[in-house]
Amino acid sequence: RKEVEQDPGPFNVPEGATVAFNCTYSNSASQSFFWYRQDCRKEPKLLMSVYSSGNEDGRFTAQLNRASQYISLLIRDSKLSDSATYLCVVDQSGGSYIPTFGRGTSLIVHP
Amino acid sequence: DVKVTQSSRYLVKRTGEKVFLECVQDMDHENMFWYRQDPGLGLRLIYFSYDVKMKEKGDIPEGYSVSREKKERFSLILESASTNQTSMYLCASSLAPDRADYGYTFGSGTRLTVV
Repeated sequence: RKEVEQDPGPFNVPEGATVAFNCTYSNSASQSFFWYRQDCRKEPKLLMSVYSSGNEDGRFTAQLNRASQYISLLIRDSKLSDSATYLCVVDQSGGSYIPTFGRGTSLIVHP
Repeated sequence: DVKVTQSSRYLVKRTGEKVFLECVQDMDHENMFWYRQDPGLGLRLIYFSYDVKMKEKGDIPEGYSVSREKKERFSLILESASTNQTSMYLCASSLAPDRADYGYTFGSGTRLTVV
């Protein structure tokens, strides 16, 4: 199985900080990429899809770098409520797809 | 909003019991998945299904089986529960990847303890 790797962290940042996470994937045929957020003892929830041209949703920006095979998530002006684990998801394409999750990056935003 | 409903939030079973975990989605999604999540190991795919009566093994199918008799329901079966199957089990569903609104929606999970 092709791998999806994330730095587990934790990333410990003050409110208002900008923080970025990367996620590397090994299957160059992958076509679909996502960032999910998971709060403690809750299910993962879709944060945003990652498009080839990059995309932004408020304080969150996702980028895809196919040449280096990684996706990134940038969070600007961090809020206490951003504290969570961020999971990247990569579909292992090539006809049939199999979603593979990274193990997640823990973010702690402190006052 | 898509809803994925898992039948139990918490479950305690004895070693050797046959355990059924049920998952139902209400948005006519083609694809359904069962994962388990353990600390430090992340989400690991057990089985998935692209269609009714169809199933595919994921990364860790040993000790598990699945059933998809209806499009909206995907059941995970632990044939003979063991303590190493104590875990959080998460069901997810999605549309086909060529759909613009493709993405995975998870149920709230079942925390299974095998004693």
